[in-house]
Amino acid sequence: EIVLTQSPATLSLSPGERATLSCRASQSVSSYLAWYQQKVGQAPRLLIYDASNRATGIPARFSGSGSGTDFILTISSLESEDFAVYYCQQRRNWPLTFGGGTKVEIK
Amino acid sequence: QVQLQESGPGLVKPSETVSLTCTVSGGSISSYYWNWIRQSAGKGLEWIGRIYSSGSTNYNPSLESRVTLSVDTSKNQFSLKLTSVTAADTAVYYCAREFTAVPHYFDYWGQGTLVTVSS
Repeated sequence: EIVLTQSPATLSLSPGERATLSCRASQSVSSYLAWYQQKVGQAPRLLIYDASNRATGIPARFSGSGSGTDFILTISSLESEDFAVYYCQQRRNWPLTFGGGTKVEIK
Repeated sequence: QVQLQESGPGLVKPSETVSLTCTVSGGSISSYYWNWIRQSAGKGLEWIGRIYSSGSTNYNPSLESRVTLSVDTSKNQFSLKLTSVTAADTAVYYCAREFTAVPHYFDYWGQGTLVTVSS
């Protein structure tokens, strides 16, 4: 099973700042990685798929990069609605697995 | 707009079987893969398995011996049955549809239903 490790666990930032979230895979997942956003009491929402492709309706301030084992989700300028928990997920191998999440909180 | 809604018992006793149903509205269940994912404080997000509208399935090996997925296209529903539950199965259970552009990602989710395993 591919283990995804996200860091940091918590990121404390102010609105307007840049957020950089990391996801590291225990083995190569090629570019088969997605990012989700989850707000309290809601289901996750697909943001980025296959490492760098924004899902429909996702603002351009969200971008993804990386391949192999190291991936980055960048939020260029945090809006108030971006404070949430972010998860990565791989589809390279069965079973599909998720990272433990990074919480982006207001500083 | 596709919507998914989970239903089932909120409380289940240890060693019993929990059955959950996901009702799909706003679109057909046919020609898609439908998934169950759970979220617990201890294990985070965990993929349980998926079923195609034809009935073919894939399961997480860690749960495969206890999980059965089924689909009822006439009712636009699919279901999860998890046997011999323990406290470790306490979680919010989500149903989700796979992203049509790229399989194995999830673009439509239900709101989730909390299942608590307790005597």
